[in-house]
Amino acid sequence: GAVVSQHPSRVICKSGTSVKIECRSLDFQATTMFWYRQFPKKSLMLMATSNEGSKATYEQGVEKDKFLINHASLTLSTLTVTSAHPEDSSFYICSASPGSEPSYGYTFGSGTRLTVV
Amino acid sequence: DQQVKQNSPSLSVQEGRISILNCDYTNSMFDYFLWYKKYPAEGPTFLISISSIKDKNEDGRFTVFLNKSAKHLSLHIVPSQPGDSAVYFCAASELTASKLTFGTGTRLQVTL
Repeated sequence: GAVVSQHPSRVICKSGTSVKIECRSLDFQATTMFWYRQFPKKSLMLMATSNEGSKATYEQGVEKDKFLINHASLTLSTLTVTSAHPEDSSFYICSASPGSEPSYGYTFGSGTRLTVV
Repeated sequence: DQQVKQNSPSLSVQEGRISILNCDYTNSMFDYFLWYKKYPAEGPTFLISISSIKDKNEDGRFTVFLNKSAKHLSLHIVPSQPGDSAVYFCAASELTASKLTFGTGTRLQVTL
């Protein structure tokens, strides 16, 4: 089945630094990748949708200059949290799909626990 | 504005019995629905989906029912097993759109 690898699984960084999270589709080409954020005991909130070779589409309220998304190839998308603050601490999850519609199936990565100290 | 709601944050069921997880939505444009299972510190795992042209879809122990007029769907797990203990999220989408909107999740505990 489709596999999505997300790295790192957990990271601790100091306030003011930047952190990069990678999301790779291992056995399929991901036309579309999604980045979610999950707060404790809350739903998964979509942050942005990225299509290979084009700019990401950010959801309302998500700062595009703070959460930089790059989808440079059909197998790799990265999320960079810039100038991280403690309130950015969260669980970030990516998902990837071979198509642009949900019927193609979305496969999720294993998530990244970010702690900003 | 929570367009997909799971009003029961938790559910406890005995092993072997049926688990019924409910989900309501408000956006009438949604026409594709999915259920995911999630363990702590892991990404969601796809379980089953249904499009709005159906009212039932079955896959092994999992059955999803859709009531479009009530904007309600439910996931039935029978028989429930201890390994089913996890948080279950329903998600909804427009079939021709890409993004999923998730519910708030229901934590299922299957007891021995």
